[in-house]
Amino acid sequence: GAVVSQHPSWVICKSGTSVKIECRSLDFQATTMFWYRQFPKQSLMLMATSNEGSKATYEQGVEKDKFLINHASLTLSTLTVTSAHPEDSSFYICSARDQTSGISYNEQFFGPGTRLTVL
Amino acid sequence: DAKTTQPTSMDCAEGRAANLPCNHSTISGNEYVYWYRQIHSQGPQYIIHGLKNNETNEMASLIITEDRKSSTLILPHATLRDTAVYYCIAVPHSGTYKYIFGTGTRLKVLA
Repeated sequence: GAVVSQHPSWVICKSGTSVKIECRSLDFQATTMFWYRQFPKQSLMLMATSNEGSKATYEQGVEKDKFLINHASLTLSTLTVTSAHPEDSSFYICSARDQTSGISYNEQFFGPGTRLTVL
Repeated sequence: DAKTTQPTSMDCAEGRAANLPCNHSTISGNEYVYWYRQIHSQGPQYIIHGLKNNETNEMASLIITEDRKSSTLILPHATLRDTAVYYCIAVPHSGTYKYIFGTGTRLKVLA
């Protein structure tokens, strides 16, 4: 199956700093990628849909100025958490749709996640 | 809001079949039922999906009721490595293709 990677796998930062998380589709092209956040013992919450070459679409309640998303190529989307605070500590997961295989089903391939801890 | 509801947790003996139910009574005609699982601190893993026919692959079987209001994921011979949270998701095959996760079922396979 298709592979999605994330970097870094974990990061610890000080309050007030910004952190960038990368999401890459390794063996396929993805015009659409998704970003999720997951708090301990909770389900995944969709934050935004990342569209290659255009602005991301954010879910209700997600601050677009705090969570900056850039999707500059067909294999890379980045999420930047700006001015991070302890309440932003979470597990961030990306996913991507393989839109080049010609198959119509809607399977999303998920990255391994990035654990962010803000001190 | 998620369109699916699942039991919070289930236990299953190793080697036995694990049957995980999902209710999706408001599913629309163009929405497929997808199943994923998430092992602790990893990204979700695709298991299987279907529209209205029963489906089987090397991992599991998916049984969808005729009215499409519910489905059951069957792991035929559960192993300890199947311990995970299992998510059932109703996914449209047009438009935004967004996944809205529900709470999932925490399956514990017991030795």
